[in-house]
Amino acid sequence: QKEVEQNSGPLSVPEGAIASLNCTYSDRGSQSFFWYRQYSGKSPELIMFIYSNGDKEDGRFTAQLNKASQYVSLLIRDSQPSDSATYLCAGGSGGGADGLTFGKGTHLIIQP
Amino acid sequence: EAQVTQNPRYLITVTGKKLTVTCSQNMNHEYMSWYRQDPGLGLRQIYYSMNVEVTDKGDVPEGYKVSRKEKRNFPLILESPSPNQTSLYFCASSWRAANEKLFFGSGTQLSVL
Repeated sequence: QKEVEQNSGPLSVPEGAIASLNCTYSDRGSQSFFWYRQYSGKSPELIMFIYSNGDKEDGRFTAQLNKASQYVSLLIRDSQPSDSATYLCAGGSGGGADGLTFGKGTHLIIQP
Repeated sequence: EAQVTQNPRYLITVTGKKLTVTCSQNMNHEYMSWYRQDPGLGLRQIYYSMNVEVTDKGDVPEGYKVSRKEKRNFPLILESPSPNQTSLYFCASSWRAANEKLFFGSGTQLSVL
């Protein structure tokens, strides 16, 4: 059974600080990883994806992947109140047919 | 505008009354999928389709049917809905495979009484 684990939170971070979201996965065959942001009652929106070990930066967001430790993280710099949402981590295998396995999400609250 | 369109946005029905939730994408994506999202359980895949006339079960397929007669459309059919199918449903698509970036529809909130 493939699993993606996230701390459900809530994770409370002051405005302007760095928010750090973490995720672990069980399937060593997973090769692609995604971070989705979901506002309450809305659909998930892709904000970052990463395929290789190391860091990937896009604006205020940095995704980090460590395949040896089966660990994925998302850093949000200069956190804004609009970043308050649930963040879903997802992993995909290399086969292509299996669906993404989603974590249950971490609820992030940015305090003004 | 590139998008995945789901309808209806909200649906209230009664046990046993057949219903269809439509999903259409205009991005020429080969892969399409249905997910349900429940509090405490996260997103779970119901069915997926790798291409026209090719569909397969996901993690929670019981009580659902799908079809893929055209590349752009992937309807979800509940032949005899039950209260445990009350959930938020999302259709999603990607270019060719499930392990690529998924684009989600706006969701359908279904209540089965």
